[in-house]
Amino acid sequence: GQNIDQPTEMTATEGAIVQINCTYQTSGFNGLFWYQQHAGEAPTFLSYNVLDGLEEKGRFSSFLSRSKGYSYLLLKELQMKDSASYLCAVRDKGGATNKLIFGTGTLLAVQP
Amino acid sequence: DAGVTQSPTHLIKTRGQQVTLRCSPKSGHDTVSWYQQALGQGPQFIFQYYEEEERQRGNFPDRFSGHQFPNYSSELNVNALLLGDSALYLCASSWTGGLNQPQHFGDGTRLSIL
Repeated sequence: GQNIDQPTEMTATEGAIVQINCTYQTSGFNGLFWYQQHAGEAPTFLSYNVLDGLEEKGRFSSFLSRSKGYSYLLLKELQMKDSASYLCAVRDKGGATNKLIFGTGTLLAVQP
Repeated sequence: DAGVTQSPTHLIKTRGQQVTLRCSPKSGHDTVSWYQQALGQGPQFIFQYYEEEERQRGNFPDRFSGHQFPNYSSELNVNALLLGDSALYLCASSWTGGLNQPQHFGDGTRLSIL
């Protein structure tokens, strides 16, 4: 089956660092994406990993271990505007598509 | 450069009715995917259209159907609406030649069934 797990909620303090974990079990794998979604808005792309290792993009970094079926999103120097839901999604390799399988999302609350 | 646009923004229907949602992909994109996002959940894949054909389908009943037009825009149709169809419907576009590129999402249509 297809299963993607991530914590439901997390709380962190402004200026701190937070790590959001994601584990997956899917029939196919062709990359892992992280999206940010503010309430009532569209998911916006944050990062993409297809090979093992760390990808850094400004205050955001994402790590992938394919052998462990594990990824994390690291947010540094947290700002109040980072309060949002963070979605982990695996691209299914099945067929000729780039279908995404999403986790339920992690709702991050950044406190002053 | 316009991103993915969806219409309408909000829609209220009653059980048994039919609804059509519309999506215009980002410029340069040729593939449109539709997702259903229930409150507090992640998006669930409905189906994907490429070259005006349904290329892959998720675990949704035949009441959910779609169409893609020559200009790459797309429609999602849902017949015999049920209360459980209340959700945010997201359209995402991508370019088939860009396998390492992310899907870009529209702001969605919030569908409420009474």
